[in-house]
Order: sequence, then C-alpha cells, then structure tokens
Amino acid sequence: DVVMTQSPRTLPVTPGEPASISCRSSQSLLDTNGFNYLDWYVHKPGQSPQLLIYVASSRASGVPDRFSGSGSGTDFTLRISRVEAEDVGVYYCMPARQTPPTFGQGTRLEIK
Amino acid sequence: EVQMEQSGAEVKAPGESLRISCKASGYNFANYWIGWVRHMPGKGLEWIGLIYPGDSDTRYSPSFQGLVTMSADKSSNTAYLQWSSLKASDTAIYFCARQEDFWTGFYFWGQGTRVTVSS
Repeated sequence: DVVMTQSPRTLPVTPGEPASISCRSSQSLLDTNGFNYLDWYVHKPGQSPQLLIYVASSRASGVPDRFSGSGSGTDFTLRISRVEAEDVGVYYCMPARQTPPTFGQGTRLEIK
Repeated sequence: EVQMEQSGAEVKAPGESLRISCKASGYNFANYWIGWVRHMPGKGLEWIGLIYPGDSDTRYSPSFQGLVTMSADKSSNTAYLQWSSLKASDTAIYFCARQEDFWTGFYFWGQGTRVTVSS
C-alpha cells in the first residue's frame, strides 16, 4: 500500500499569511495519462470532511481560489495564499486510486 | 441534488450489535462507490473501506477487516455499516462519502453518525 507522509504535523499561521503543507508518497501517483491521483481534504471541527483538491491541482467545486495544489510523482504541496480563521482544521492528503484509500497522518492548522 | 443522509447518534453497551445507515439521494445509487470513514476522539481520519452498491463489491482496510461489515440495499438507496459485538474502542464518529467518477475525490459526505459504546 501507498504510505503518505505529511509535514508539518502542526502549522500555526497568522491570519492573512500564507501556509504550505507537504505530502510525500511512498510510490509515484503519476499515471500514464498524465494525471497525479492525489486528493487533499480538510476536516474542520464539528463538520464533515471536505474535498479541497483532486488530481493534485484541481480545486473542487466551491473551494476558494486561495487554495491551490501542486506537485507530481511523489511530492505534493497544498498552499493557502492567505489564511483565514475559518481555515482551522486538519488537512489530509490521500492517494486517490488506492482501494481502499488511506489518509496521510494529517496536518493541524492553527491560528496564531 | 446529491445528498447523503446518515442515521442518528447511538449509545450502546459493549457486546451489543449495531447497524448505522447512509441514505443516498439525487443520483443513481448503484453506480458510485461509497466509502466509510472513522473519526475517533482526538485522532485522525481513517478509511474503513468501500462498497459498490451495484454488485455489493466491498474493499476493507486491513485494520477493519473482520471487525465491521459494509452492505448496501439498492431498493432503498442505503448503505450500511454494522458491528456484531461493539467494543468501547468503537466509540467514534462515522462518515459515509460518495466517490466521484475517475477517482476525482469524495465530494459528497454524510453529516456523520456518533457512536458511543459505554457500560
């Protein structure tokens, strides 16, 4: 199975500042069709998890454009251009084509 | 409009059985994989497994194989997660979610079912 390693585990951020989360996969997630099958999710307190990014860089419907995903192969990054208080939660990466799926350990974003 | 409506909170004693549900609407239930996720207090999200309602094909995460059973009823558009003998360690919130076509993520989620197992 693919193992996902996220860093940092905790990310304190001042509102208005950028934030970045790294996700490394034990195997390449790049398909021969050119897509990297990597999702990003956020789990906010008291809510259901929410899909942010799929195929590494495509924003899900309704996700603000301050969220962006990048990377290829085994190294991926989720960036938030300007963190807002509502972004508090735990962020997870996930190899999308693994069945059943597995999440990375999660990165807790906190507001300073 | 796609919706995933989960059953209400449950409080059970250790050793009891339980089945929770996830009723889907707004799409062809048979044609999309549904996943179950566990969130234990203070812990990260964990995938329990996936089920394809069209033929009830199931894929369990190794950690959950033999501990829970996933099923689906196409006549009622409902997916189920069940335990035959609950343990205190099953205390958690359980979410269902629909997997989109071509591995483009799990976009639609249920609201979660809180399960408390306590004597």
